[in-house]
Formats: sequence, structure tokens, C-alpha cells
Amino acid sequence: SQQGEEDPQALSIQEGENATMNCSYKTSINNLQWYRQNSGRGLVHLILIRSNEREKHSGRLRVTLDTSKKSSSLLITASRAADTASYFCATDAASGGYNKLIFGAGTRLAVHP
Amino acid sequence: DTEVTQTPKHLVMGMTNKKSLKCEQHMGHRAMYWYKQKAKKPPELMFVYSYEKLSINESVPSRFSPECPNSSLLNLHLHALQPEDSALYLCASSQGQGLNEQFFGPGTRLTVL
Repeated sequence: SQQGEEDPQALSIQEGENATMNCSYKTSINNLQWYRQNSGRGLVHLILIRSNEREKHSGRLRVTLDTSKKSSSLLITASRAADTASYFCATDAASGGYNKLIFGAGTRLAVHP
Repeated sequence: DTEVTQTPKHLVMGMTNKKSLKCEQHMGHRAMYWYKQKAKKPPELMFVYSYEKLSINESVPSRFSPECPNSSLLNLHLHALQPEDSALYLCASSQGQGLNEQFFGPGTRLTVL
């Protein structure tokens, strides 16, 4: 079952605009990660935010985490056509004494020149 | 070397064939993963190996058989697949299991006729 749900499912913006994607999850987490996937390719890790952190930055990326609301957001500033991709949040879940990642449904971002 | 490699890139097989997918990493990671991804869906975890031992099997049908010959290699043996098994199969690795960022290979696009 999915731990994370994302919205919007799809987002279309112009180059230079900011893109915000949201992720909600159901159970307590140790950390939350964001990944990017270009069409038909492997996923690339973008950023990891721990449950005791509220905000994290990496270049043009800003991630926030609100554990009281069980939600996170990914902000991409000054978007570029090359940012066109699917973005997934992933949360950890316990499974038989081990941990695994469960991915949200993803947001498909299209950035138009 | 921060790359996860997967072969083949594409695979077409009949329902009676036996084939194998291969994955390799040389980052010294001790956890390796197989995911299945259908179009416009998030990756779904299939198997996890931790220190070369199978730690998680997400109730995957026995027609999929994983193997971890050593800490750098991960195989997925396929036998008697169904057309609905057609998907992108992604391999990933991480330093430890579950909570760390995962490094993904480019995937194998599998088509079952």
C-alpha cells in the first residue's frame, strides 16, 4: 500500500516559474526522501530530510517537512526545461524488522521554454 | 564509481522463456533492491538483499527468482512470465537498508509476449 500521496498529479509551468509539489503520508517516519525520474529512466536521489528537520535546501531545491501534518513539500525555484520529469517522495516503513522505502504516486512536472 | 549498471536495457520474451536481469554496483553498498514500475506509476518494491541475504520479499510470484551471488551483483531470474509482468525493472543499492538514499540503475524495459 502507498505510504505517500502526492499532489498535484501533474503540473505544467513556464521556464523561470517556481514549481511546488506536495506529499502526504500516513504513519510516523524516520526520514523522507525526494527522487526525480526522467521518462523511462532510473530514479535520481534529490534530497533527504530527517524527521527532526523542518527545512532543507540543495541548490534550487527547497524541501519542508511538517511531521504534525504528516506532509512535505518540494519547491523548485527558477525552473528550467531540463527540470521536466516525474518527482516522487519516498518514506520509510518497517517490514519484518527491516526498513524499506515506499514511494508516493508522483508528480509529473512539465516546464515549457 | 557511483553508478549502478543494469543489463540488458531492453528484453522481449515469450511466456515460456527463461531469462535473467543483471545488476551491478561497485560502491561497496551492502543493500540491493529490485523494483517493478508500470507506466505512470511509482516503483513498487519486489525484493531486498542485505549483506547478500534476502531480507524482504514483497509476496512476489515465484516466477520471479532473485539471486545475490556477491555483494556487487544482483540477478533477477524470470520464468513463465505473463504479459502483465511487462514493466520497467529497476535495481537500486544503498549503504544500509531502508533509511539511506538509494542509487538506481537505468532499468530494464521488459516486454512479455
